[in-house]
Amino acid sequence: GEDVEQSLFLSVREGDSSVINCTYTDSSSTYLYWYKQEPGAGLQLLTYIFSNMDMKQDQRLTVLLNKKDKHLSLRIADTQTGDSAIYFCAVPYQKVTFGIGTKLQVIP
Amino acid sequence: GAVVSQHPSRVICKSGTSVKIECRSLDFQATTMFWYRQFPKQSLMLMATSNEGSKATYEQGVEKDKFLINHASLTLSTLTVTSAHPEDSSFYICSARDLSGGPAGETQYFGPGTRLLVL
Repeated sequence: GEDVEQSLFLSVREGDSSVINCTYTDSSSTYLYWYKQEPGAGLQLLTYIFSNMDMKQDQRLTVLLNKKDKHLSLRIADTQTGDSAIYFCAVPYQKVTFGIGTKLQVIP
Repeated sequence: GAVVSQHPSRVICKSGTSVKIECRSLDFQATTMFWYRQFPKQSLMLMATSNEGSKATYEQGVEKDKFLINHASLTLSTLTVTSAHPEDSSFYICSARDLSGGPAGETQYFGPGTRLLVL
């Protein structure tokens, strides 16, 4: 089956950039996703990238995809305290497989 | 964007009782909905795939008689936790796939979750 891995924790200062990394094992997915989960809430679709793209930028968010290395990253520019949350990468295979989630802590 | 609601958001019940959780797609139709369970500091565990008009598909290790799923319409799926026990306490999240839009119809939109506490 699909295996999706993420680091558990990232701490950054407000105003700095955050980079959250994800590796996966199956490369047949058409789209790859990033979701954000705030405490006590469900998952909010943050962004996605089509598998034949290397990069997608959406305001403060930049998604980079390295298909050769099966590596996906999410960069948040000018990180704000409101960005503090858990970020999941999600890779659809036969079913959607989520990483364990990276908890982003933003220090004021 | 596509909105999914869940009700209730929180429920506390006594051991042995049954609890029903509703998942609704508010502005789109969803032939497929998913039920997840999330433990503290862990990722989502897919419990079952709910298909409108047919039986749900359960993941390995999930008791179908314990977690009853009904998907009676294109906008509503329900999860009933029968004879709940304290070990069933968890955060239950549903999602729905919007086949009318989104990239290749693969995108799942999530509900806000239901916190279940069984005493």
